[in-house]
Amino acid sequence: DAGVIQSPRHEVTEMGQEVTLRCKPISGHDYLFWYRQTMMRGLELLIYFNNNVPIDDSGMPEDRFSAKMPNASFSTLKIQPSEPRDSAVYFCASSPGQGIYNEQFFGPGTRLTVL
Amino acid sequence: AQSVTQLGSHVSVSEGALVLLRCNYSSSVPPYLFWYVQYPNQGLQLLLKYTTGATLVKGINGFEAEFKKSETSFHLTKPSAHMSDAAEYFCAVRAASKIIFGSGTRLSIRP
Repeated sequence: DAGVIQSPRHEVTEMGQEVTLRCKPISGHDYLFWYRQTMMRGLELLIYFNNNVPIDDSGMPEDRFSAKMPNASFSTLKIQPSEPRDSAVYFCASSPGQGIYNEQFFGPGTRLTVL
Repeated sequence: AQSVTQLGSHVSVSEGALVLLRCNYSSSVPPYLFWYVQYPNQGLQLLLKYTTGATLVKGINGFEAEFKKSETSFHLTKPSAHMSDAAEYFCAVRAASKIIFGSGTRLSIRP
């Protein structure tokens, strides 16, 4: 398997623009997670899905952030409008069934810079 | 509430020396504990995890960790550091319906 695939790997945009990050989880994995990593705040869980259904979105910073998982092989994280403080590395991870505490497989991340 | 504290944001050791990365946790339920490693410009990768059973857990790349309930610790060790071990290491603990990661420890290896 190719592992978790994220696109784009790098994104530079201007404040106020819409940003869409994409993730393809490992085939057969039931859980999908979106994380944000910054120097100041470390690694934060934003939202996770189980069988395409959002389970916990308490980490989503505000209404500007939204995430969808229309099918088992694709998820998006959208920021609209983007702000400079959204600059971070965003990771997608997936995990097989048997509960949320199973090993998580991380993608390479998307480095977002908002000018 | 569950939390994890990693002592030392940066640890530097000589090649061949013992690696010790410290992690203390707080948990109101029997803890599940994890160590992940992040190499530069990559995502995190599971090194090892403790759920139940044997308190000494062996992971990949020669790393191991010991769960000590009395000390609420889960320190990561490796007897002999290799240059390829240079990376950031994250301790994590299960919380209600999620995993909480520590702030990370950057490990540097001196030749």
